[in-house]
Amino acid sequence: DQQVKQNSPSLSVQEGRISILNCDYTNSMFDYFLWYKKYPAEGPTFLISISSIKDKNEDGRFTVFLNKSAKHLSLHIVPSQPGDSAVYFCAASRTNSGGSNYKLTFGKGTLLTVNP
Amino acid sequence: DAGVIQSPRHEVTEMGQEVTLRCKPISGHNSLFWYRQTMMRGLELLIYFNNNVPIDDSGMPEDRFSAKMPNASFSTLKIQPSEPRDSAVYFCASSFRAARMSYTFGSGTRLTVV
Repeated sequence: DQQVKQNSPSLSVQEGRISILNCDYTNSMFDYFLWYKKYPAEGPTFLISISSIKDKNEDGRFTVFLNKSAKHLSLHIVPSQPGDSAVYFCAASRTNSGGSNYKLTFGKGTLLTVNP
Repeated sequence: DAGVIQSPRHEVTEMGQEVTLRCKPISGHNSLFWYRQTMMRGLELLIYFNNNVPIDDSGMPEDRFSAKMPNASFSTLKIQPSEPRDSAVYFCASSFRAARMSYTFGSGTRLTVV
């Protein structure tokens, strides 16, 4: 059972426009969410994260929005650039009582293509 | 730091053979994770270690898979015997608890079992 779902396998946008990647989760215990970016033949790299106590986090062209009631988060990229073309993974986790690491659960990923 | 180092980058083996994948985490990281990526299932966690101790191996597909972490700087994932359905990209990642779960992934090992 997929606890983190990325229902769009792919997305194509024009350079300069906004890219919106969506992610849904089912486990209400998740309290920390991350987006990773992956280029071919490389490992995923951390992009941006958000704690469940917030509903928005921004870093340059990248903004993540969290809607806890809907169990939904989205990644906005504005403006999109050809170099943003990659697979984007949504991930979620919960912190245990000791405040230490807990495993990340990933979605299947969305392939973003930004056309020049 | 060289990051998380995985070897080999590519492995082609025949069905029934033993396969060993290797990982060197980032120095100072106390958690290590093995993930498998396939088209059908995306990135799925196989096993993770905290301070060299296996914490959760519920993602290990079956007894043919085993993982060890003999010390803080080395881990192996072994498949014996290998089967064609094991073909995938296997990623190792490490993190430090204070980094709030911001994993660093290696470049992966692409395994092909023929």
